[in-house]
Amino acid sequence: GIQVEQSPPDLILQEGANSTLRCNFSDSVNNLQWFHQNPWGQLINLFYIPSGTKQNGRLSATTVATERYSLLYISSSQTTDSGVYFCAANTGGFKTIFGAGTRLFVKA
Amino acid sequence: SQTIHQWPATLVQPVGSPLSLECTVEGTSNPNLYWYRQAAGRGLQLLFYSVGIGQISSEVPQNLSASRPQDRQFILSSKKLLLSDSGFYLCAWSVLAGNQPQHFGDGTRLSIL
Repeated sequence: GIQVEQSPPDLILQEGANSTLRCNFSDSVNNLQWFHQNPWGQLINLFYIPSGTKQNGRLSATTVATERYSLLYISSSQTTDSGVYFCAANTGGFKTIFGAGTRLFVKA
Repeated sequence: SQTIHQWPATLVQPVGSPLSLECTVEGTSNPNLYWYRQAAGRGLQLLFYSVGIGQISSEVPQNLSASRPQDRQFILSSKKLLLSDSGFYLCAWSVLAGNQPQHFGDGTRLSIL
């Protein structure tokens, strides 16, 4: 089955800094999602992005399907951005595979 | 708009006791429904999915079972809990399988003593 790898596993930022999180996947995908899991465990949908680029405020994401990777950009980070960021890929059917996540801590 | 509810939010159970976690979706019909488990510090693992009432598919062999008695209700159960069943359980729904996004409930944190 598809493998999903995220990097870096951990990231510490000073408030106001920018960052790029990466998600590599081993097969063609029908669906690629980015989620933010906040400290209370809630999984928040950030982007549904099987290909192309999307932006939502300080966050943007780019998926290059032909090269099998996706990037999540966080600009001007805030303490509320802390948590774990997951990418999840689906190649068709019902099974979505999650990466292990990037744990982000933003210092005030 | 669509909403998804899970309860309880937290649960502490003794080893060997039964379990019932409930998930309901509002604002949509005939959703695909999913149960995931997240071990501490790890990613999510798909446990069960359902495409309709009474239709359940299991992804991993385990001590748990799932049922879908109504279109928008998904229940995760166990007859006898094990210590290894501890974790964070998340329910999700999607409109269609594969190429549509999944939306998650707030989860149930289960601790087995």
